[in-house]
Amino acid sequence: EAGVVQSPRYKIIEKKQPVAFWCNPISGHNTLYWYRQNLGQGPELLIRYENEEAVDDSQLPKDRFSAERLKGVDSTLKIQPAELGDSAVYLCASSFGLETQYFGPGTRLLVL
Amino acid sequence: DQQVKQNSPSLSVQEGRISILNCDYTNSMFDYFLWYKKYPAEGPTFLISISSIKDKNEDGRFTVFLNKSAKHLSLHFVPSQPGDSAVYFCAASGSGNQFYFGTGTSLTVIP
Repeated sequence: EAGVVQSPRYKIIEKKQPVAFWCNPISGHNTLYWYRQNLGQGPELLIRYENEEAVDDSQLPKDRFSAERLKGVDSTLKIQPAELGDSAVYLCASSFGLETQYFGPGTRLLVL
Repeated sequence: DQQVKQNSPSLSVQEGRISILNCDYTNSMFDYFLWYKKYPAEGPTFLISISSIKDKNEDGRFTVFLNKSAKHLSLHFVPSQPGDSAVYFCAASGSGNQFYFGTGTSLTVIP
């Protein structure tokens, strides 16, 4: 069974540029999560989807971050414009309901 | 406010010995706990979980203990192997809400 797929794996951009990350969850998993992990920290939830509905986006900086999960499968997370402090690893995870989450490999973002 | 804490940023263990990783939490509403392992440049990999109705759960080499009164859980595994060298995260959630992760413990297994 294929795991959670994320792309790109690495991204280097200049500040004020836009950037987008893509996630394909495990087949059959209706819940999808986006996390941000800073160096030396644990993952912090940005947004959680149940099917196509964002049910928890309280930690998403809505002035510059947006996410969508059209058709309740793939999801994209966008930052526009990126700031230096956005440099981090962005992790996508999926689960069936609220059971164990399975993570993708992450996208490592560096904002210069 | 860090609701899940891993107070040991790093730990070293001799190959073959037992590894014990600790985690504390502050929210008494947490009822489901997990451990993940993370290698560099990879996403966290699920290891083992425990719900609050249990105080112990085993899966192969891994055992997780939960002490609800102390709000403490620990991950034990033996024998430790060099391939176990990684960062270990504990996570907790309550009533189906979001998971909160600790800051991780970097384990080094010394051959």
